[in-house]
Order: sequence, then structure tokens, then C-alpha cells
Amino acid sequence: SQQGEEDPQALSIQEGENATMNCSYKTSINNLQWYRQNSGRGLVHLILIRSNEREKHSGRLRVTLDTSKKSSSLLITASRAADTASYFCATLPQGGSEKLVFGKGTKLTVNP
Amino acid sequence: GAVVSQHPSRVICKSGTSVKIECRSLDFQATTMFWYRQFPKQSLMLMATSNEGSKATYEQGVEKDKFLINHASLTLSTLTVTSAHPEDSSFYICSASLAGAFGEQYFGPGTRLTVT
Repeated sequence: SQQGEEDPQALSIQEGENATMNCSYKTSINNLQWYRQNSGRGLVHLILIRSNEREKHSGRLRVTLDTSKKSSSLLITASRAADTASYFCATLPQGGSEKLVFGKGTKLTVNP
Repeated sequence: GAVVSQHPSRVICKSGTSVKIECRSLDFQATTMFWYRQFPKQSLMLMATSNEGSKATYEQGVEKDKFLINHASLTLSTLTVTSAHPEDSSFYICSASLAGAFGEQYFGPGTRLTVT
């Protein structure tokens, strides 16, 4: 099965800076979701954007979706050390499947 | 809302033994549960999808006789790693989804399995 690609694979920034992570995918989707994973823990759902939406906000998170380019971005504004984690995009393909297709993830480190 | 628990969080077992991992949805009924495997610094690999009362659907390359999945109720799914070997050592994560939730999944905290 196809897998999304996130870039960068790793990102290191200072507290207060913004962090942008990108995700590309290969097939038509129903929606795209972003998840966060702290080291050695499960995933936490952050935000879901439907294929007919272009932008969505949740607190310090901003997600964009460009279905023509099959890409999405996650922006975390005013980052904090507690934002340090791995971030994964996951796509729900069109066609009724419930199976998410996960990207490879971006490891974000926010330095205090 | 939507809490999923996993038990145990860590387990160490000897080669040849079997290990059972439980996944429970605590405050909702999960129509579908998923089992993933994650190697260090890698993404999640879907192993199987299970629906309550029916046989699990395994992904290509996943041995159904080795990774037994039982989904006995709308709140409980179990993964049993049979005759475990060191190469089965990994982080196993379950998730659950709600019907009509547009594919949003709620993840358990994961189980770290080490086979010695």
C-alpha cells in the first residue's frame, strides 16, 4: 500500500518559533489526519481535514490541504518544549475503507 | 472522551512462549479495532483490522496463525503473539474507531514486547 511522505524527517527549533511539517500522499482521499506521538507512547489525534476543506485551525495548530498537489502541511505556532514529539499524517482513502495510511513522520524537537 | 487502554504496557517473555495483549475502549463502543506494529523510529505498520464478532482481516505478510486476534465484544480486542521469537520484539499499538467518525482513530498507549 502507498504511504505518505512527511518532510522534513527531523526538525529542531527554538521555543517560540513556528514549526512547519509537510505531508504528501498518492491516492484520492476522504480526509487527512494529523497525529502526535510522544516517545514510547500511543498516538494522539490532533486534527482532521476533509478533502473538500482547504484549511483548518485548532488552537496553535493550522492545517492546510491541497488535493491538487496531494499535499498537506501542519503548522505549530509559538512552539513550546512540550511540543517535542513525532508527528504523523494519515490519510483515509476514498472508497469506504476504514484503514488509515500513515506517513513516515517528522520528529520535532523544540529546544527551551 | 474516546479513551482506549492497552494492557500490559510492557512485557518481557521467553522465546517460545505466547503473550496476550488486551485493547479496551473505555467509554465508547468500537465498531472496528486495529492492531499496529511500530519499529524504533519508524511509522506504524497496520497488522490487522478486527470487527466485533467476525474474523480479523490481516494485512499482506502478517501471519494470522502467529498473531491471533479476537474481538469478542464492542469494547475488547486481544492480540496473542504465539510462540514468540526475538524478532517479534516491537511496540504494538491498538486503535479503535467509531462508526461515522470519518476514520478518526483513538489509540491505546502501546505495549512494548521484548522476547528474550
